[in-house]
Amino acid sequence: ELKVEQNPLFLSMQEGKNYTIYCNYSTTSDRLYWYRQDPGKSLESLFVLLSNGAVKQEGRLMASLDTKARLSTLHITAAVHDLSATYFCAVDRQKGGSEKLVFGKGTKLTVNP
Amino acid sequence: IAGITQAPTSQILAAGRRMTLRCTQDMRHNAMYWYRQDLGLGLRLIHYSNTAGTTGKGEVPDGYSVSRANTDDFPLTLASAVPSQTSVYFCASSRDHNTGELFFGEGSRLTVL
Repeated sequence: ELKVEQNPLFLSMQEGKNYTIYCNYSTTSDRLYWYRQDPGKSLESLFVLLSNGAVKQEGRLMASLDTKARLSTLHITAAVHDLSATYFCAVDRQKGGSEKLVFGKGTKLTVNP
Repeated sequence: IAGITQAPTSQILAAGRRMTLRCTQDMRHNAMYWYRQDLGLGLRLIHYSNTAGTTGKGEVPDGYSVSRANTDDFPLTLASAVPSQTSVYFCASSRDHNTGELFFGEGSRLTVL
């Protein structure tokens, strides 16, 4: 059974600081997705990582995938308040269709002025 | 604006009542999904549909049913609501069932008393 673990689950950081959110998963997969959710809102796709070594960047966020370590990281550079949200990773079981997508429990990020 | 529309946005329901959550997409996506989101448990898949006319069970299907009569609509029905079905329900779609990048609706907050 595929398990997806994110850490930390809660993260409070100062504006201007850097930090990394980790997403570990338990079985082989080379497809991983990051989503953002603002309070009371829907989930929005951030990054799609489809191979070992994949790296994607958007603004102050950078995501990477190491399929051998079964690890994805979401790195935040010089955080700003607008990045406050909950971030989810989701891993593809790769058997069958997307019904096999398993989500982590999310990391709630709060960026303080 | 293209996307996924869910209705109702919010509903309070007496236990034992029947309820249908509606979901419509205009992106001509083949695959659609229903998730529930609960604090501490993350997102869990209830039912999915890889294409019009087909449906499948997700991780937590009991007490729920779905239908997919056409590409655009994917309603979720609670035949006899129970308090444990109090949750936020998200409908999502993807281009096809091999694509893990999901597009989510705004959610339906359901309270069962």
